[in-house]
Amino acid sequence: GAGVSQSPRYKVAKRGQDVALRCDPISGHVSLFWYQQALGQGPEFLTYFQNEAQLDKSGLPSDRFFAERPEGSVSTLKIQRTQQEDSAVYLCASSFGDMRVTGELFFGEGSRLTVL
Amino acid sequence: GNSVTQMEGPVTLSEEAFLTINCTYTATGYPSLFWYVQYPGEGLQLLLKATKADDKGSNKGFEATYRKETTSFHLEKGSVQVSDSAVYFCALKDFQKLVFGTGTRLLVSP
Repeated sequence: GAGVSQSPRYKVAKRGQDVALRCDPISGHVSLFWYQQALGQGPEFLTYFQNEAQLDKSGLPSDRFFAERPEGSVSTLKIQRTQQEDSAVYLCASSFGDMRVTGELFFGEGSRLTVL
Repeated sequence: GNSVTQMEGPVTLSEEAFLTINCTYTATGYPSLFWYVQYPGEGLQLLLKATKADDKGSNKGFEATYRKETTSFHLEKGSVQVSDSAVYFCALKDFQKLVFGTGTRLLVSP
């Protein structure tokens, strides 16, 4: 596709359920990022991939959060045993090259997770 | 750590008014600075950027100048339009990732 695609756009989960959020980056983009955006806040960094390698996961809030990008394209963010504080919009972004050089991210529309 | 502070919104203006959205940063060194915009129902997109001190980024009539003396990167536009209504995010580059401010909502009425 022409842009970054995320699915599902909306997800409602009961507390304790596992969820999986998918990101299809722009074809050929090397770098892929996940951000969490709480209501009324700016995006907060979660994790970063360069191709299939997860180079930084310092922003993942707990070991319930796990991200993968096994073939260097599609990525999945998994949240186990969801809690109410996990409710947020999860943003995926990609970049053609190394972010240290380019600095521009292309964002998807996000996946809005509501945990009841 | 590195951080960005933006003025709180919403900012409410009439069409053709002058816009300023304040942004200041705290960082080690002189990181690249960005403004991203999120229109209703869309993903964030890059509006403009500046990579070093005294650089001016500009796009779609918006401008921002990288001021290292005041650690600021304020966004300005001389005459806003209704179509500029959106949320604006200031950000800095911290190694491989972007650090964002909390965003400022702009509402422009006809």
